[in-house]
Amino acid sequence: EPEVTQTPSHQVTQMGQEVILRCVPISNHLYFYWYRQILGQKVEFLVSFYNNEISEKSEIFDDQFSVERPDGSNFTLKIRSTKLEDSAMYFCASSGIYEFYNEQFFGPGTRLTVL
Amino acid sequence: AQSVTQLGSHVSVSEGALVLLRCNYSSSVPPYLFWYVQYPNQGLQLLLKYTTGATLVKGINGFEAEFKKSETSFHLTKPSAHMSDAAEYFCAVSETGANNLFFGTGTRLTVIP
Repeated sequence: EPEVTQTPSHQVTQMGQEVILRCVPISNHLYFYWYRQILGQKVEFLVSFYNNEISEKSEIFDDQFSVERPDGSNFTLKIRSTKLEDSAMYFCASSGIYEFYNEQFFGPGTRLTVL
Repeated sequence: AQSVTQLGSHVSVSEGALVLLRCNYSSSVPPYLFWYVQYPNQGLQLLLKYTTGATLVKGINGFEAEFKKSETSFHLTKPSAHMSDAAEYFCAVSETGANNLFFGTGTRLTVIP
């Protein structure tokens, strides 16, 4: 069964460093998303991406964040200068266009720890 | 704007007992409603969804949920809990036509043998 994969499963970084979180969405999907979950809090929407551009973003997704689909399979989230409060679990999701498009399939997450 | 409230961050039930996980939402437009389950070290898996039509929806693993517009609720139930149901459950809402999900804070279900 197709699934969304994410690497790494756990990333530890120093404050101020850049990190890139990687996701491989399901191959025939066209919508891609990033969410995050700070420990003990709710899962929050960050950004959605379609047709090689951002279609929607939340207030959390400020200039420190960027997304890219560098090739036909990967979808990345970059945080330019990490802050302590960026420590969270980051989930990638994808959805198709020929199905009910709100059905999003999630990856297992990347736990980001900023020291 | 949408929001989701899940009452009870932790719920414990005995094996074979009824599972009831509560979810209330607010939405300015007719909502799409979802329940996701997360097993340890795994991603979020869709249990069931409500879009339009029948208000009682059935999902995987014997779970079902009923959309009650008058109560703005979408509670998740299962008649008989199984040990394998132990997980974190998230309720989510989406605006019709939009594609980002608003999640609740989650409910951790523990099943006692």
